[in-house]
Amino acid sequence: AQSVTQLDSQVPVFEEAPVELRCNYSSSVSVYLFWYVQYPNQGLQLLLKYLSGSTLVKGINGFEAEFNKSQTSFHLRKPSVHISDTAEYFCAVIPIYNQGGKLIFGQGTELSVKP
Amino acid sequence: DAGVTQSPTHLIKTRGQQVTLRCSPKSGHDTVSWYQQALGQGPQFIFQYYEEEERQRGNFPDRFSGHQFPNYSSELNVNALLLGDSALYLCASSYRQGLGETQYFGPGTRLLVL
Repeated sequence: AQSVTQLDSQVPVFEEAPVELRCNYSSSVSVYLFWYVQYPNQGLQLLLKYLSGSTLVKGINGFEAEFNKSQTSFHLRKPSVHISDTAEYFCAVIPIYNQGGKLIFGQGTELSVKP
Repeated sequence: DAGVTQSPTHLIKTRGQQVTLRCSPKSGHDTVSWYQQALGQGPQFIFQYYEEEERQRGNFPDRFSGHQFPNYSSELNVNALLLGDSALYLCASSYRQGLGETQYFGPGTRLLVL
């Protein structure tokens, strides 16, 4: 079985500061990794995904994430946040054998950007 | 290009009732997955439909059932509603069960059970 742990439930940060949202996963098999963002009263939007290749993945809105297989982590980073980045962020995995594409999500991290 | 659409946006039901939620996938997609997101939690996988059949199921009771139509749209049915069924129900679509493919999510249906 797989599980995802997002290490911070809430991250407050000032505008233009850097931010890191931490995600660790547990799996006995290889996985694909995803970060989704959920703005208030909306569905989920894909920020970025790691399937293979370079462990540094760049996504939309200036976000990037680094896959670390030895530490089973996939932390999300942004060098300078904006007020509009205030949202809930979810890390998710899919086992690579799972043709059904069942996403397994973490509990979410609420990013609050203050002026 | 329309994205994933869901209806209704909000719904209020009482315990014991039945509810049907609807989802239309993104153009070109043929696979629909349903997730339940309780307040303050991450989404939990309910089941996935491809070629009008349930292909995979999460840890949800038989009260949760679904259907996929020839045009790839889908319904989620929940019978004998419990207070704990109150949640945001999200539909996601992808192509060909899409291993590694991006799942595109709709805005969700917020269900309140009183």
